Amino acid sequence: DGGITQSPKYLFRKEGQNVTLSCEQNLNHDAMYWYRQDPGQGLRLIYYSQIVNDFQKGDIAEGYSVSREKKESFPLTVTSAQKNPTAFYLCASSGAVGSPLHFGNGTRLTVT
Amino acid sequence: GESVGLHLPTLSVQEGDNSIINCAYSNSASDYFIWYKQESGKGPQFIIDIRSNMDKRQGQRVTVLLNKTVKHLSLQIAATQPGDSAVYFCAETGLGGTSYGKLTFGQGTILTVHP
Repeated sequence: DGGITQSPKYLFRKEGQNVTLSCEQNLNHDAMYWYRQDPGQGLRLIYYSQIVNDFQKGDIAEGYSVSREKKESFPLTVTSAQKNPTAFYLCASSGAVGSPLHFGNGTRLTVT
Repeated sequence: GESVGLHLPTLSVQEGDNSIINCAYSNSASDYFIWYKQESGKGPQFIIDIRSNMDKRQGQRVTVLLNKTVKHLSLQIAATQPGDSAVYFCAETGLGGTSYGKLTFGQGTILTVHP
């Protein structure tokens, strides 16, 4: 089945630790995205990549970092510099211009 | 920045009724609009999309209407079923250059369908 796989589904970390969230897609999509969702709110764009080895900051990139070494993979690192890291993180991908984003089922990160 | 918002945060309907979920957007340069359904603990699921050169598009039991004059988008669900209960988001983006894929999401509307 084609789709987007995010792992793990739940992640717990202590404050001050960096943590990396995985996102893999087998849809052969060029573009990939990371969004953050807080309770009762819409999604906010963290980073996006329209092609391998290139990525751009979204609206709330501070405290996050990404890499795009392979077309299929777009991992997100939540660094200790992110002030409020506890959230639901969603990865998405898209194909041709004008086609919708397809989302994974998210990783819920809790930092205590 | 530009934003997309919803008029009604919650909507309760009876099974079999038609549902209408509304969305206002502020970016007049937006070219492409999408409705997503999100169930608890899952990622958003694509429902239907529409480009700015259209004012109506129909899918299976769903219709999206776009009124560019007043910057308003609506999602109509016919014969609503309990399985339609979820949070519904509208999203918008431009199709040109670096704006592509940078979706701006509304806050969401919670749809509850009572049997």
